Amino acid sequence: EAQVTQNPRYLITVTGKKLTVTCSQNMNHEYMSWYRQDPGLGLRQIYYSMNVEVTDKGDVPEGYKVSRKEKRNFPLILESPSPNQTSLYFCASSFEGRDTQYFGPGTRLTVL
Amino acid sequence: SQQGEEDPQALSIQEGENATMNCSYKTSINNLQWYRQNSGRGLVHLILIRSNEREKHSGRLRVTLDTSKKSSSLLITASRAADTASYFCATVRVRNKLVFGAGTILRVKS
Repeated sequence: EAQVTQNPRYLITVTGKKLTVTCSQNMNHEYMSWYRQDPGLGLRQIYYSMNVEVTDKGDVPEGYKVSRKEKRNFPLILESPSPNQTSLYFCASSFEGRDTQYFGPGTRLTVL
Repeated sequence: SQQGEEDPQALSIQEGENATMNCSYKTSINNLQWYRQNSGRGLVHLILIRSNEREKHSGRLRVTLDTSKKSSSLLITASRAADTASYFCATVRVRNKLVFGAGTILRVKS
């Protein structure tokens, strides 16, 4: 089954404790991206990747890191999480950035 | 900044009625996409309409695009309770960057 998976689905952590949210797709998509969703603000892009080893900043990259060492995986790293990073995070993939996006189920992160 | 602006922010209708949601944008686009999100879940793609297309259908969904007015509309006909969700438009800007609006919350009452 074609899908985008994210782990964990729910995470409660404390300020400053490094964490990684994994994202994996099995559709051989070249384009992958991370979004955060906050009430009233819609989805805002954090980072995107057009291919292996090619990443670029989205609209709200501060406080986040990403890497794309393999085509199928695109982890999101929070080196020192802060409470303003409490949000619902989505990973998405597509063949190209302008194509239909396939979204993961979301990761609800709470930073205390 | 958000490219797409959905209107209305919230819509409540009776089952069987039609629901219309609008999306406006500011800059030139490659295509415009509509997505649905059930409460707290991932977004599901509904329809993609290219900048050289004016109308597209998929089942009970009809999307129009007016590039001169920089606007699009999503029509859901004969709505069902299961259509209750948030609906987002997303526009593809230069460098294939996809930008989402804040969404329309649709509630279909049975």
